[in-house]
This record gives sequence, structure tokens and C-alpha cells, in this order.
Amino acid sequence: QVQLVESGGGLVKPGESLRLSCAASGFSISDHYIHWIRQAPGRGLEWISYISGRGDNTNYADSVRGRFTISRDNAKNSLFLHLESVRAEDTAIYYCAREGDTDAYFFFDSWGRGTLVVVSS
Amino acid sequence: DIKMTQSPSSLSASVGDRVTLTCRASQDISRYLNWYQQKPGEVPKLLIYAASRLQSGVPSRFSGTGSETFFTLTISSLQPEDFATYYCQQSYNVRTFGPGTKVEIK
Repeated sequence: QVQLVESGGGLVKPGESLRLSCAASGFSISDHYIHWIRQAPGRGLEWISYISGRGDNTNYADSVRGRFTISRDNAKNSLFLHLESVRAEDTAIYYCAREGDTDAYFFFDSWGRGTLVVVSS
Repeated sequence: DIKMTQSPSSLSASVGDRVTLTCRASQDISRYLNWYQQKPGEVPKLLIYAASRLQSGVPSRFSGTGSETFFTLTISSLQPEDFATYYCQQSYNVRTFGPGTKVEIK
């Protein structure tokens, strides 16, 4: 059974750092692109980053580029999102999601339940 | 980046109604368009991928059409469990979501 479990969220002060983790089971993360997507309270979904199966291809939304870093540990079947210089607007539930594909059409077919990050002094 | 817009932002409908939601892309994305349903407190669920392909296990009352810049999601007969927020998402390049359409009970 495919499962993604995020952890590492919590209350953090503006300007501080935090590392989120996403533990995968039921599949190998080396076979998939994995994405981080966030949702601010009462707001919509915002894609923020992805990493390829081999970890050699990453990308970020403009809103987090230069502050967030995505990485993965295929041996532990886990990936990570390091948040630096956090801002109030980074307050959100952070989801990791697996990207599947059929006939080269890509979609998020499995999501974790998310971990809440609250940025407040 | 490709900007996605959705309309309406919210709508009220009754059980049994036929409902159509629209999604527009700021540039041609071919058929690289997905639809997700999210209920309060729950994780988004994939409904439609490649603009019109129904994800396994999704009821056939959901259907998607469109290509290039204009897409629709239709629920042929709204059921109580369909009251939720629906997001479109493009997978043509760096992923982006639309702002969502909230379907509420009339």
C-alpha cells in the first residue's frame, strides 16, 4: 500500500529554519518525482518544489526559491524539505505527493496527510 | 510560469443537479490538465487526469473535457459526498494549481 507520512512541522519564529521529512512506503521514491505542495489556512493549493527519482533534477516556486531546499535519501526511502528564513506567509500545511504518470501524462496520485508549519513570533 | 484560473470561485447547487466547473490556462497546455477534489480536513484526491481520463475508482458521474487553454469538469448528478472544493492543475511544465471552485449545498 502506497503511503507518504510527513513530519517535522511545528511553531517556528520568523527568520528561523525547519526541516520537514516525508517517509514513503509501498513504493520506491527512486522511481518517482516527489513534490512538496502547501496549503495556507483556508487557502488553495500551492506547488512549491519537486525532486526527481535520482535526485538530480529539482525545481522551486519563486515564492520559496533561495530559501527552501529539497533533498532525498533513497536508502531511507525518504525526502526532505529544508526551510530557511521562514516568513509568516510560509504558514501552511505542507504535503508531499507522489507524481505518477500514464502515457506521459503526469498527476499527483498519492498524498501524505501533511504537516503544519506555523510561523509566528 | 503558467497561470491557472477557475470559475466560478464558488457555487451553490442541489443534490441531483448537473454542475460544470471551468478552468483556464494562461497558455496552451495541450491536455496536461488534472482535476482534484478536496473535502474539509482531507487530502486532495485525483479525479481526472489528461483532461478527460477518469482515475480508477472515481464515479462515472465525473467527466472532464477540454484542451489547449480551456477545460471543464462536469458532475452529471451531484451527490451529497460531492460537496467539496475542486482544483485544476497543469502538468505541462512546472506544476501550478488553479485557485479552486467550492461547491456548496443550496
